[in-house]
Amino acid sequence: GAGVSQSPRYKVTKRGQDVALRCDPISGHVSLYWYRQALGQGPEFLTYFNYEAQQDKSGLPNDRFSAERPEGSISTLTIQRTEQRDSAMYRCASSPSRDPADYEQYFGPGTRLTVT
Amino acid sequence: RKEVEQDPGPFNVPEGATVAFNCTYSNSASQSFFWYRQDCRKEPKLLMSVYSSGNEDGRFTAQLNRASQYISLLIRDSKLSDSATYLCVVLGGSNYKLTFGKGTLLTVNP
Repeated sequence: GAGVSQSPRYKVTKRGQDVALRCDPISGHVSLYWYRQALGQGPEFLTYFNYEAQQDKSGLPNDRFSAERPEGSISTLTIQRTEQRDSAMYRCASSPSRDPADYEQYFGPGTRLTVT
Repeated sequence: RKEVEQDPGPFNVPEGATVAFNCTYSNSASQSFFWYRQDCRKEPKLLMSVYSSGNEDGRFTAQLNRASQYISLLIRDSKLSDSATYLCVVLGGSNYKLTFGKGTLLTVNP
């Protein structure tokens, strides 16, 4: 079946522009997670949804970052007034369980964001 | 101290070798532990969960020592296809946040 998909796969933007990154989780998956991964590092947690409810946004670096999942399926991560330090791979993951201890998280291919 | 620390690597081993990765975590309330594998330019995928009693899946053995806050992964009879980055992952005690280590790169050589 279809896995987690993300779009765009690559995004180059100029400093100061807003970007919106989209995640399509596996159909029926309850939980959705956003991570940021720098080169040579493991994924770093950003935020997490159960259905449409944002349960934890403690990992969002500052108020330029926001995420939504209005209908409990597709999610969008928005970065306003992008800065060069925002350049990274942004990964989405989904899980059929509310509890991350219960079941693995399935990761998408990521969006490579480059801010020039 | 970082929440999850792994062997810095990289590890270069010949086919058939046994290799062990170590990981320590700082939050004593952590409840669940995993090893994920990430191939070059690919997404991370779950390799195995780590249970208190230790667990084995074919050539892979995971161990957990709660007292020392230490996790290990042993790969026996390594194959070329085992070449990847291995990520130690810890679930915090009071939240749903997975914390990933930096990863250890393994290259298995013919």
